[in-house]
Amino acid sequence: GENVEQHPSTLSVQEGDSAVIKCTYSDSASNYFPWYKQELGKGPQLIIDIRSNVGEKKDQRIAVTLNKTAKHFSLHITETQPEDSAVYFCAAINFNKFYFGSGTKLNVKP
Amino acid sequence: GAGVSQSPSNKVTEKGKDVELRCDPISGHTALYWYRQSLGQGLEFLIYFQGNSAPDKSGLPSDRFSAERTGGSVSTLTIQRTQQEDSAVYLCASSTNGGANTEAFFGQGTRLTVV
Repeated sequence: GENVEQHPSTLSVQEGDSAVIKCTYSDSASNYFPWYKQELGKGPQLIIDIRSNVGEKKDQRIAVTLNKTAKHFSLHITETQPEDSAVYFCAAINFNKFYFGSGTKLNVKP
Repeated sequence: GAGVSQSPSNKVTEKGKDVELRCDPISGHTALYWYRQSLGQGLEFLIYFQGNSAPDKSGLPSDRFSAERTGGSVSTLTIQRTQQEDSAVYLCASSTNGGANTEAFFGQGTRLTVV
């Protein structure tokens, strides 16, 4: 089966700085890579995704990159704001199953 | 509905009792997933439905856990003879047809506490 590893487990940045979260996956058959943001007491919310035929995708302050050869993908948040503070999960989809990373707790200090 | 709905939002039960957790997926979504999230942990896969059938039950932790889905819509996760280690948030997600290129949307979860 697929194995998704996510780093770092915690990340603290100053407001306005950038934050980068990295994930690796093991199965080259995985072809869809969503990112979820989970705020305290809420379910995960999809914030951006990337498919295997694309190398990069951007949505305002959020971008995701995918390197299929190296089997890794990353989330980039620029100009971070306190409301970006949350737990972020990456995932890889393989045969209809979502494999999640262990999560990154992002703290944006005002 | 507008989103994935789960009920109850919170459930406190005594050890040894059975509980039922309900998930109402987004209308028209054929794929439905159950995940478990222990405090401060990641998401643990439990079971996946495509329509009413469950092609992947590999994540169910023991035979005390079962799930069903009827009418290709509502799903119920049942935990029999609950144990304290079952305490967690149980999350449900649905997507249009599962697999690649399909976004999955999560409900708010059911927080289960076994005392």
